[in-house]
Amino acid sequence: GQNIDQPTEMTATEGAIVQINCTYQTSGFNGLFWYQQHAGEAPTFLSYNVLDGLEEKGRFSSFLSRSKGYSYLLLKELQMKDSASYLCAVMDSNYQLIWGAGTKLIIKP
Amino acid sequence: GAVVSQHPSWVICKSGTSVKIECRSLDFQATTMFWYRQFPKQSLMLMATSNEGSKATYEQGVEKDKFLINHASLTLSTLTVTSAHPEDSSFYICSARAVTGDTEAFFGQGTRLTVV
Repeated sequence: GQNIDQPTEMTATEGAIVQINCTYQTSGFNGLFWYQQHAGEAPTFLSYNVLDGLEEKGRFSSFLSRSKGYSYLLLKELQMKDSASYLCAVMDSNYQLIWGAGTKLIIKP
Repeated sequence: GAVVSQHPSWVICKSGTSVKIECRSLDFQATTMFWYRQFPKQSLMLMATSNEGSKATYEQGVEKDKFLINHASLTLSTLTVTSAHPEDSSFYICSARAVTGDTEAFFGQGTRLTVV
């Protein structure tokens, strides 16, 4: 079966750095996405990785290792507005998105 | 980025009635649209995939006679929840993809449905 695993909840301090991990097992791989979702809102796109390595975009970076079925989202200089759920999703061989359950990130002052 | 408009943002309806949710791609043609449902504190669950001009493909466990999906044009897909019940209360989200195999799907704003 297809499976995406990520921690349910994480807590971090304003100004700090946090890493949210995602492991996956899917039938085929056509890229991995990270989305941010605030409560009651639709997800917003953060990053896309299809090749191994680190993609940096401002305060957010995303890493992928296809051989390990592993990705992480790194958030630097955390701000209170970063409190949200972070969803990992993998596009399988049929170009369907397989979603993780999301990681709720709580930022404390 | 491309814009997907979903309407209405929220709706309250009586049990037994039907509700239609619209999803429009405003500045691109969406060959494929996806409909998701999300219960509180849970992940997005794909309900169905629709390609323009053909019948939607429903995920296992999703009643196609209850959740009617129409994708009649390249810019519009609709989801109709028929004979709604309180357990259908949820957050419904559509997303659209321009070209098969395109890397990014663009999301609508979501519709909060409450059935009373």
